[in-house]
Amino acid sequence: KQEVTQIPAALSVPEGENLVLNCSFTDSAIYNLQWFRQDPGKGLTSLLLIQSSQREQTSGRLNASLDKSSGRSTLYIAASQPGDSATYLCAVDTSYDKVIFGPGTSLSVIP
Amino acid sequence: GAVVSQHPSWVICKSGTSVKIECRSLDFQATTMFWYRQFPKQSLMLMATSNEGSKATYEQGVEKDKFLINHASLTLSTLTVTSAHPEDSSFYICSARGVSGRWSADTQYFGPGTRLTVL
Repeated sequence: KQEVTQIPAALSVPEGENLVLNCSFTDSAIYNLQWFRQDPGKGLTSLLLIQSSQREQTSGRLNASLDKSSGRSTLYIAASQPGDSATYLCAVDTSYDKVIFGPGTSLSVIP
Repeated sequence: GAVVSQHPSWVICKSGTSVKIECRSLDFQATTMFWYRQFPKQSLMLMATSNEGSKATYEQGVEKDKFLINHASLTLSTLTVTSAHPEDSSFYICSARGVSGRWSADTQYFGPGTRLTVL
């Protein structure tokens, strides 16, 4: 059974800092892994999608990596801004047709 | 990317009434759609998987008579919360997995969610 964890559960950083969010999964047989952003009371915004055959994806200040063999993905945010404050969820699309979400990391970027 | 819409985006209803939430894939056909539920400050939990033209498969602990799912076409799935009660208040999100073609058949595309509040 696939389990997804995220560390840390919460993170507070000053504006301008680079930061890394971590996601771990127990079963390496995955189709892809997505990182989402969720603002309070809002829906999901897809940030980056990494297919199982890929190692990383980049979009602007965001870079996500995937290491299937170790069951890990990281989301790197460069030069953080207050507008980056949100909950970040990673989601693993499994080989048995289910997407399993991690519990999320709540990020606060302090001006 | 592929677009999935949900309607309504939010709904408030009285206890005992039924509420229907629609999930549509706007620019692709979805053979499989998924419904998730999110309680405050928690992550998303899969409720059920629906395939076009067949009965939905519910996750353990989800009452199928409470949460009726219909996937009548390749672009529409509906979730009906029957006889809603305050404990059903939650954020409901659908996703759709596309058929092969322009959009990857291996990717789930998520809707924006529907916030249900039962008074």
